[in-house]
Amino acid sequence: EVVMTQSPATLSVSLGETATFSCRASQSVRRYLAWYQQKPGQAPRLLIYDASSRATGIPARFSGSGSGTEFTLTISSLQSEDFAVYYCQQYNNWPPYTFGQGTKMEIK
Amino acid sequence: DVHLVESGGAVVQPGGSLRLSCVAAGFTFDDYAMVWVRQVPGKRLQWVSLITWDGGTAYYADSVKGRFTISRDNRKNSLYLQMNNLRPEDTALYSCVKPGGYYFNYYMDVWGKGTTVIVTS
Repeated sequence: EVVMTQSPATLSVSLGETATFSCRASQSVRRYLAWYQQKPGQAPRLLIYDASSRATGIPARFSGSGSGTEFTLTISSLQSEDFAVYYCQQYNNWPPYTFGQGTKMEIK
Repeated sequence: DVHLVESGGAVVQPGGSLRLSCVAAGFTFDDYAMVWVRQVPGKRLQWVSLITWDGGTAYYADSVKGRFTISRDNRKNSLYLQMNNLRPEDTALYSCVKPGGYYFNYYMDVWGKGTTVIVTS
C-alpha cells in the first residue's frame, strides 16, 4: 500500500498571501496524484488531478506540481473561502487508492 | 450537474448489517465505475470499494473485504453497499463517488454528501 504523507499538519497563512502544501508518496505514483479541498460539513471537492491539471471550475490561483514521490499544491492570493482542509490522493498503485492525512489551513 | 445522494446510514450494533444506497443523476451512470469512500471525522479519507461500470468486477479495502459487498443497478442509476458484521471501527460518513480518469487510474471526481453509519453497543 502506498502511504501518503502531507505536511504540515496545519498551515497558518494571511489573506492575500500564497499557501504551499506538500504531499509525499512512499513510492513513485508517477503523476497520478489528486488534490481535494474540504470545508466543514461539506464533501471533498476535486481541485487538481494528474498532479497539475485543474478540475472544472477551479480558479487559476490553484496550481499543482510534482511527480514521482513529491508533490505540491500552491494557492496564490488567498481568499477567505480557501481556508479549509486539503487532501492528496494517489491513484497509480491500487487497490487501495490512498489519501494523505490532510493539511488544515487557518487564517493567520 | 452531477448529483449523488446517499441513504441508509443508521446506528447499528456490532455484528449488525446495513445496506447503503446511492442514487446518481446528471451523467450516464453505466458509463462509469463507481466508488465508496468513508471518513471518520477528523481523520483521513479511506477508499472502501470500487465496482466496474457493468458490475462485473469489484474491489475492496482489506479492512472490509469479506464483510462488505458493493453492487449496482444500472436500470435504476443506483449504487449499493451491503455491510455485514459491522465493527465499531466502521463508524464513519460513507460517500458515493463518481471517479474520473481511465483504466482504473481513478481520482475522485464528484462526491455525494454522504450518509452516516454509527456502530455502537
